[in-house]
Amino acid sequence: RKEVEQDPGPFNVPEGATVAFNCTYSNSASQSFFWYRQDCRKEPKLLMSVYSSGNEDGRFTAQLNRASQYISLLIRDSKLSDSATYLCVVNPMDSSYKLIFGSGTRLLVRP
Amino acid sequence: GAGVSQSPRYKVAKRGQDVALRCDPISGHVSLFWYQQALGQGPEFLTYFQNEAQLDKSGLPSDRFFAERPEGSVSTLKIQRTQQEDSAVYLCASSLVTLAASYNEQFFGPGTRLTVL
Repeated sequence: RKEVEQDPGPFNVPEGATVAFNCTYSNSASQSFFWYRQDCRKEPKLLMSVYSSGNEDGRFTAQLNRASQYISLLIRDSKLSDSATYLCVVNPMDSSYKLIFGSGTRLLVRP
Repeated sequence: GAGVSQSPRYKVAKRGQDVALRCDPISGHVSLFWYQQALGQGPEFLTYFQNEAQLDKSGLPSDRFFAERPEGSVSTLKIQRTQQEDSAVYLCASSLVTLAASYNEQFFGPGTRLTVL
């Protein structure tokens, strides 16, 4: 079983739609959680950190459920420019630096 | 300011050849990381440097992989006797954080796409 699991998609949605991605992680001792965005043939870039209380950044909302070992990302009012792969990322407790990436969920926003 | 740069951007090697991939981190960044990203997968951790010290090489897949950062800035990832399964994008990242600190953002370079024929 992979340490971080995501639905690969693709999620194909119209502009303006709301879309949600989920991710599960296996190590209950994991301490930090992130969503990264990766455009085709580009490097990953940090989208947002995920906090236990949930956090919002504009159209993006991230949630963490430690009991279920589950992370989510909600995108409201999708834009064409949101089309990318969204990587769920976990920082394990035994390391302050190592990142464990999921395989990513691909989002396609159509006009 | 300048981000993380990597060279070459693309490398084609014949099976059995040695390759060297270069990473120039963001100036002043203490920590440097190498990741391997296979097609359709997320990046996988290879190795970590704090300044010139290689503190974690647990992700290197075999002894054919070797990384160095002799002066604590530029790093080179070397792959000896390349195999087809080495074909992947090799990403370098850097951050300000030191081992004792809490997590800090890693900034990624554009990667080197290695194809082994």
